[in-house]
Amino acid sequence: DVKVTQSSRYLVKRTGEKVFLECVQDMDHENMFWYRQDPGLGLRLIYFSYDVKMKEKGDIPEGYSVSREKKERFSLILESASTNQTSMYLCASSPRTQETQYFGPGTRLLVL
Amino acid sequence: EDQVTQSPEALRLQEGESSSLNCSYTVSGLRGLFWYRQDPGKGPEFLFTLYSAGEEKEKERLKATLTKKESFLHITAPKPEDSATYLCAVQDPYSGAGSYQLTFGKGTKLSVIP
Repeated sequence: DVKVTQSSRYLVKRTGEKVFLECVQDMDHENMFWYRQDPGLGLRLIYFSYDVKMKEKGDIPEGYSVSREKKERFSLILESASTNQTSMYLCASSPRTQETQYFGPGTRLLVL
Repeated sequence: EDQVTQSPEALRLQEGESSSLNCSYTVSGLRGLFWYRQDPGKGPEFLFTLYSAGEEKEKERLKATLTKKESFLHITAPKPEDSATYLCAVQDPYSGAGSYQLTFGKGTKLSVIP
């Protein structure tokens, strides 16, 4: 079974803090994704990566950056957290030759 | 711009009462249409991928079908454990963010009452 894990289920941070969200997949997938999910807005793509050290902006990259130094790990960074970044963050991965994305359990982030 | 619309937003069914969820889409090209199930506070769980009009896939009480403009998720004799939000997503090879991106609908929240 595909397994995608995220470092925290719940996180509370203060405005202005630097926040790191970590995602690890154990299936040797080339593609990894970060989404945020908000009520009434659905899932929106923040960034994705199709290879180590490669990244592409999604629909809402502002205020976020990413890092992929190893194939199995994809990090989402909030350089200076703001209250409007309070959300559920979901990581996903997929093989290069297959379109289906497999999701992690999510991290619910609250920025105060 | 790709658009995915799911209806209804919420659906309450009695246990055993069959029904269908709808996902209509507007894309330049369709590489795949995906159905996911999401339980509260958890990540989406993959159910089906459909690639071409006329295709059908089944899993237990769920059957997904695809036409050129929409997909249906049919739920036959649902049980309370089928209660969840069902998400539909499309992959458009011509989307601006690359062919890997999925565009999601906002979901249908299904409640099955015993």
